[in-house]
Amino acid sequence: GENVEQHPSTLSVQEGDSAVIKCTYSDSASNYFPWYKQELGKRPQLIIDIRSNVGEKKDQRIAVTLNKTAKHFSLHITETQPEDSAVYFCAPGRADSWGKLQFGAGTQVVVTP
Amino acid sequence: EAQVTQNPRYLITVTGKKLTVTCSQNMNHEYMSWYRQDPGLGLRQIYYSMNVEVTDKGDVPEGYKVSRKEKRNFPLILESPSPNQTSLYFCASSLHREPGLSSYNSPLHFGNGTRLTVT
Repeated sequence: GENVEQHPSTLSVQEGDSAVIKCTYSDSASNYFPWYKQELGKRPQLIIDIRSNVGEKKDQRIAVTLNKTAKHFSLHITETQPEDSAVYFCAPGRADSWGKLQFGAGTQVVVTP
Repeated sequence: EAQVTQNPRYLITVTGKKLTVTCSQNMNHEYMSWYRQDPGLGLRQIYYSMNVEVTDKGDVPEGYKVSRKEKRNFPLILESPSPNQTSLYFCASSLHREPGLSSYNSPLHFGNGTRLTVT
C-alpha cells in the first residue's frame, strides 16, 4: 500500500513569511495530490489539489508543486497570515485504486504576528 | 446545502455498550469512508465504501463495523466499545471520479466530526 510521509511535523513562521510543507509518497501510480487544512476544532477541508498532468498549481497565496520523478509534492503558502494557523494534511491517491486512502501525519503551522 | 452530516457531535459511553455514529451525505456521492484522528497519528482510515452494499477495511478496522444499505448513509457501529476507541471520528464522502476527468479522483468532503469518549 501507499506509504505517506509529511515534513515537517510542526512549523512556526513569522507573519508575512513563507511556509513550505513536503509530502513524500511511495506509490508511483498515484496521480491525485490534495492538501487539506484543518483549523482547531473543525473538520478538514480541501484547500488545493493537483493532478499528475501538471507540475504546479496556484490559488492566490497558496500553491502546490509536484515532482513525480522524486515522488513528492509540496504545499507553499506565501505572505502567511494568522488565519493560516492550522494543521495541514496530504493524501495522495490513484483513481484506479481509490478506496484505501492514507493521509500524512499532518503539519501544525503556527503563524506568529 | 451540500453537506456531510454526522451525529452525534459528542458521545460519552461506557465499555461494552454498543453504539452507532450516523453519517449522511446529500451530494449523491458513491464513495464514503470513516477516519479516526488521534494526536500525532493524523487521520487513519477505518472502513470505506465504493458504493451501496460494497464495503472494505481500511488501516484500522478492528472493533468497528459499517453498513451501506443506501447511497446516502454510512453508519459506523461499535459493537463493544473499549477505552482505546476514544478518539475524534470523521466521516467523508466523494464522487468516485472527477466529473469530466475520469482518470482522477475527486476531493473528500468531511463531516463535522464526532468526539467519542469510552470510559
